[in-house]
Amino acid sequence: DAGVIQSPRHEVTEMGQEVTLRCKPISGHNSLFWYRQTMMRGLELLIYFNNNVPIDDSGMPEDRFSAKMPNASFSTLKIQPSEPRDSAVYFCASSLSDPMYEQYFGPGTRLTVT
Amino acid sequence: AQSVAQPEDQVNVAEGNPLTVKCTYSVSGNPYLFWYVQYPNRGLQFLLKYITGDNLVKGSYGFEAEFNKSQTSFHLKKPSALVSDSALYFCAVRDEGNFNKFYFGSGTKLNVKP
Repeated sequence: DAGVIQSPRHEVTEMGQEVTLRCKPISGHNSLFWYRQTMMRGLELLIYFNNNVPIDDSGMPEDRFSAKMPNASFSTLKIQPSEPRDSAVYFCASSLSDPMYEQYFGPGTRLTVT
Repeated sequence: AQSVAQPEDQVNVAEGNPLTVKCTYSVSGNPYLFWYVQYPNRGLQFLLKYITGDNLVKGSYGFEAEFNKSQTSFHLKKPSALVSDSALYFCAVRDEGNFNKFYFGSGTKLNVKP
């Protein structure tokens, strides 16, 4: 298996622009997680899907952030409009919903908002 | 409330010496515990997990972890550290009572000096 795939790997954009991050989970996994990592705040869970349904979005910073999972093999995280404080590495991870199973992380998207 | 604590921001050890990275947890149900490693500019990689059974679990790259129910701890260990083990280590617990959500510690930076 190719593992969790994220695109783009790097994104540089200007403040106010829309940013869309993409994720393809491991085939067969039915849980998908979006995280954000910064030096200041560490690793933060943004949103969690189970069987394509958002279960917990309490970590989404504000209305500028939205996430979708239209099918089992694709998810997006959108920021509109972007701000410099959104600069971070965004990770997608997937797993089975069984609590005994580990998560597998993608390589991350490094977002820089100028 | 469910939580994971990694009391040390940084651990320094000399190559060849044993290493320990500490983790304590709080969970209302069964503890499903995980360790992950993150190398610079990479996603988190799964190292090992405790589900049930033997309190000493073995994982990748010679790492092992000891589960202690009375102390609610899950410390990561390695008998002989390598310089290449230098990385950021995260402990996590999965909460079966909360839609199998993962809770991560703040991370511990391991520095192994030659």
